[in-house]
Amino acid sequence: NAGVMQNPRHLVRRRGQEARLRCSPMKGHSHVYWYRQLPEEGLKFMVYLQKENIIDESGMPKERFSAEFPKEGPSILRIQQVVRGDSAAYFCASSPSSGGGETQYFGPGTRLLVL
Amino acid sequence: SQQGEEDPQALSIQEGENATMNCSYKTSINNLQWYRQNSGRGLVHLILIRSNEREKHSGRLRVTLDTSKKSSSLLITASRAADTASYFCATDARGAQKLVFGQGTRLTINP
Repeated sequence: NAGVMQNPRHLVRRRGQEARLRCSPMKGHSHVYWYRQLPEEGLKFMVYLQKENIIDESGMPKERFSAEFPKEGPSILRIQQVVRGDSAAYFCASSPSSGGGETQYFGPGTRLLVL
Repeated sequence: SQQGEEDPQALSIQEGENATMNCSYKTSINNLQWYRQNSGRGLVHLILIRSNEREKHSGRLRVTLDTSKKSSSLLITASRAADTASYFCATDARGAQKLVFGQGTRLTINP
């Protein structure tokens, strides 16, 4: 059973470009979470999605950021018109259900560098 | 301070010694989890302890939870160089699915 997969592992963008980060959850998991980690800090929650639904986007910046988890295919975190402050590691996690006490399994992350 | 704060921020010990890291949180929780992150890598889940549990063991790991003090500790016994990493506690507040992470403890095991 493959773990959570993320691609690309590293992404370099110039200011103003778009960044697309992909996440394939573990087999059998229908709940996906995105987190952002700045250097030397802990992870900060961004958004929680189920198939075709955004459940909680309370950690998502209001502008330029969007996320989706379509019926088919991976979850996508999209950052439009990137700025240097968007440089960070973005981690995706998945869980089989949303019941309290579920372990979230993390992918290896995408490290975004904005020049 | 924020939910899920680890203490100390950095810890350096000799191989073979025990390492203890602490975590404090603010709100009522369903469970508390500990993760390890090697430099530049993703997070590896270590152990989950539920709010109605007080202690849990997994190999060389021992986790305690004191809900009255809103705190948890992670003990790694007989440390090895491979244990060098950052360790994070994460909590999920009741009614929410998102995890709230602390800043982490950077553990260095000296050979």
